[in-house]
Amino acid sequence: GAGVSQSPSNKVTEKGKDVELRCDPISGHTALYWYRQSLGQGLEFLIYFQGNSAPDKSGLPSDRFSAERTGGSVSTLTIQRTQQEDSAVYLCASSTPGQEHGIQYFGAGTRLSVL
Amino acid sequence: AQSVTQLGSHVSVSEGALVLLRCNYSSSVPPYLFWYVQYPNQGLQLLLKYTSAATLVKGINGFEAEFKKSETSFHLTKPSAHMSDAAEYFCAVSGDTGGFKTIFGAGTRLFVKA
Repeated sequence: GAGVSQSPSNKVTEKGKDVELRCDPISGHTALYWYRQSLGQGLEFLIYFQGNSAPDKSGLPSDRFSAERTGGSVSTLTIQRTQQEDSAVYLCASSTPGQEHGIQYFGAGTRLSVL
Repeated sequence: AQSVTQLGSHVSVSEGALVLLRCNYSSSVPPYLFWYVQYPNQGLQLLLKYTSAATLVKGINGFEAEFKKSETSFHLTKPSAHMSDAAEYFCAVSGDTGGFKTIFGAGTRLFVKA
């Protein structure tokens, strides 16, 4: 596609429910990143996929958070048993690490509100 | 581990004045450094990058940044601010462990006064 696509753009859920956020990276980009942007907190790294390598999950805040990337393309970030502190904008980015020194292209984000 | 510190969560300048946004980094290896900008209601986009080719890097919209290894800094400047520069600016570092995991600073929101 022309850019990184994220869906849904907005998600409102009740505390305790599970949510799935989707990211469709730029075609051909082998690296995919998830970040969380909370008000006044900047971008918090969550997880990084690169090709067929094991993902770098060092930023996931708890075991309620998980992500997968199927077929080296689309990625899904799952938050189980959501809590109010999970409310934030979740950003996805993709890149071609072998080129452009890792410049990342960002999606518009999913704004998650946990009531 | 790599880290980034952006001094000042908010910076306010008058239109036409110098813009200076500060970024200091920590890295055990020669870093790749980036500035990204997020305009209101838009996604993040690359402003400029440093990849060791030149210490003074020019980006879009008249912005530039200088890599100073001795000071571990990568400050962003623009000689004359424009109202359209009002946005949030993020400094980022990558290159540790041979991969491209990127660490972002907390961001600096730039306000431009008429």
